[in-house]
Amino acid sequence: EVQVVDSGGGLVQPGGSLRLSCAASGFTFSNHWMGWVRQAPGKGLEWVANIKRDGSEKFYVDSVKGRFTISRDNAENSLYLQMNSLRAEDTAVYYCVSPSAWGQGTLVTVSS
Amino acid sequence: DVVMTQSPLSLAVTLGQPASISCRSTQSLVYSDGNTYLNWFQQRPGQSPRRLIYKVSNRDSGVPDRFSGSGSGTDFTLKISRVEAEDVGVYYCMQTTHWPWTFGQGTKVEVK
Repeated sequence: EVQVVDSGGGLVQPGGSLRLSCAASGFTFSNHWMGWVRQAPGKGLEWVANIKRDGSEKFYVDSVKGRFTISRDNAENSLYLQMNSLRAEDTAVYYCVSPSAWGQGTLVTVSS
Repeated sequence: DVVMTQSPLSLAVTLGQPASISCRSTQSLVYSDGNTYLNWFQQRPGQSPRRLIYKVSNRDSGVPDRFSGSGSGTDFTLKISRVEAEDVGVYYCMQTTHWPWTFGQGTKVEVK
């Protein structure tokens, strides 16, 4: 069964940092792109970042460029999102996404 | 960025009746490889989104055949042939042809 489990969310002050993690199983992780999608409370979906299967290329939505870094460890079937200089508008549920499955989501709250 | 516009934004349907959601993009979604990367997602209340349809009309594994996708270029449609109670939720179209990948605003489907 394809499964992705995301974690690492929490409450952080504006300007702070947080690292999200995602553990994947049930598919050949290294064969697929992976990404992060977020959903602000009561809002729609926004694709945040993508990484190609070998990590050679990464893509970010403009609002997080220079602040967020997506990475992966194919040996550990894991995906990460390092989030720095966090802002109130980054408050959202963050989903780890594979081509065929989404994680359950992890809530990031940026507030003083 | 490619803007995805869905209509209607909400839909109340009688059980057993059909439903249709339109999705229009501001640019053609035909990729250089000839494929059209238009997906449909369902988000049931309190759950993560799940993909229903990929590349316009291909149903994901386990998706009931009452769901169908069609369209081309910039104009796409998701149809539910006979709405069931479990179909309640928000439906999103999403394009993965152009970076950044973008979602429609979502269409809330309710049962009368």
